[in-house]
Amino acid sequence: DAGVTQSPTHLIKTRGQQVTLRCSPKSGHDTVSWYQQALGQGPQFIFQYYEEEERQRGNFPDRFSGHQFPNYSSELNVNALLLGDSALYLCASSPSSYNEQFFGPGTRLTVL
Amino acid sequence: ELKVEQNPLFLSMQEGKNYTIYCNYSTTSDRLYWYRQDPGKSLESLFVLLSNGAVKQEGRLMASLDTKARLSTLHITAAVHDLSATYFCAVEGDSNYQLIWGAGTKLIIKP
Repeated sequence: DAGVTQSPTHLIKTRGQQVTLRCSPKSGHDTVSWYQQALGQGPQFIFQYYEEEERQRGNFPDRFSGHQFPNYSSELNVNALLLGDSALYLCASSPSSYNEQFFGPGTRLTVL
Repeated sequence: ELKVEQNPLFLSMQEGKNYTIYCNYSTTSDRLYWYRQDPGKSLESLFVLLSNGAVKQEGRLMASLDTKARLSTLHITAAVHDLSATYFCAVEGDSNYQLIWGAGTKLIIKP
C-alpha cells in the first residue's frame, strides 16, 4: 500500500515565479491537507480539501491556492513567490471520518 | 486563538535515562496527536489520544492526555540513541479540520 506521495522532492525558483506542488493521498483517504514548515518550526496549516472543495483555510494569503481532483489527489499553487516562501511543504491525507493525518515526504522549496 | 506550547524545546540526555516532554494547549479539544520528525524527513504519527485519561504506549514511549488540565505528556523510558528526533504535539482546532502544532521538542540522546 503506497503511502502519501509528493512531487517534486526539491524545487528552486526565483522571486515572482509561480510553483505547483502535487500530492497523492494514501489509499482509502479522501481528505488532503497542506502545511508549510519553515526550518526549525512546527508545521503551519495552509488549507484542507475534501470533496474537491477547500474546506478550511489557515492564515495564508491568496497567493496560495489549491485544487483537489476526483481521484482525491491535490495540487498546491503559489504565485508571486517571495523569499519567505522557502520552506518544506508537506501534504497530509486522512479519511474524512478521522483526523489522524499521514504525511508525505514533503517538497523542499527554495526561493532565490 | 488556540495555542499549543511544548516544553522543553530542546533536550539533551544520556542513554538509559527517563524524561518527559510536556504539551499544553489552550482549547477544549479532546483530541491530541504526537508526531516524530527526523532531520530533513517528514512527520511520522506516533500516538492519537482521543479522550481524557487516554494512555498509549509503544516501546519506550508513552503518551497520556489530561483534557481537564489541557496537558499531554510524552514519557521516554530508558532512552536509546535511536529516539533522537524532534517530537511535535498537535491539537485539533475549533473546526476539527486543522491541526494546530507545537513548536517541537528537539531530543538528542547521547550514548
